Amino acid sequence: QSALSQPASVSGSPGQSITISCTATSNYVGRYDSVSWYQHHPGEVPRLIIYDVIDRPSGISNRFSGSKSGNTASLTISGLQTEDEANYYCSAFTTDSTWVFGAGTKLTVL
Amino acid sequence: QVLLQESGPGLVKPSQTLSLTCTVSDNSILSGDYYWNWIRQPAGGGLEWIGRIYLDRRTTSNPSLQSRVTFSLDTIKKQISLRVTSVTAADTAIYYCARESYFSGGFDPWGQGTLVTVSS
Repeated sequence: QSALSQPASVSGSPGQSITISCTATSNYVGRYDSVSWYQHHPGEVPRLIIYDVIDRPSGISNRFSGSKSGNTASLTISGLQTEDEANYYCSAFTTDSTWVFGAGTKLTVL
Repeated sequence: QVLLQESGPGLVKPSQTLSLTCTVSDNSILSGDYYWNWIRQPAGGGLEWIGRIYLDRRTTSNPSLQSRVTFSLDTIKKQISLRVTSVTAADTAIYYCARESYFSGGFDPWGQGTLVTVSS
């Protein structure tokens, strides 16, 4: 049982927006200030798309955005494209100075 | 653009020790600006953080693996290493190394990953 809870799957149509949630299920993640998101196409290397809750690395499309409310962080993808179909993982830094991942969310673009 | 490359045996027998190395292409391993992490993904499963090492050799590891993992860092060879003792089939996974900024969160970049299978 991960300290971070994500939906197993979400889906959307091209052009739509979707949101994936990541809820901290315990105080283990402290203030929940260090949340990052990864896109992982099967067979490829995971890619950082959001760090520190809201920041985007250089080269990442502004269609990807992060936010947080209370103990729930969210990843929003706007203007869905077929290439966005992938697995998405959240990760958070804990009070033990360790990192923990959510179980992942499979995004299907219909 | 820094590149990370994992290497090591693809097959390890149960109860033995898994040893992997990650080679860093630039001199960022010599600075105090980064942590160096190991992350794994079993077939059909999600990502699992294994642990990290810093330039001063301080390490932190996943509590579930802490008793079996050790990390090292070699600035001369520009390599970080992972050892996992007493392996079982549950340790079969793709193993990745990844860099993490000291100043902000997030693993970037990642190595290509290396598949390790535990089997007799």
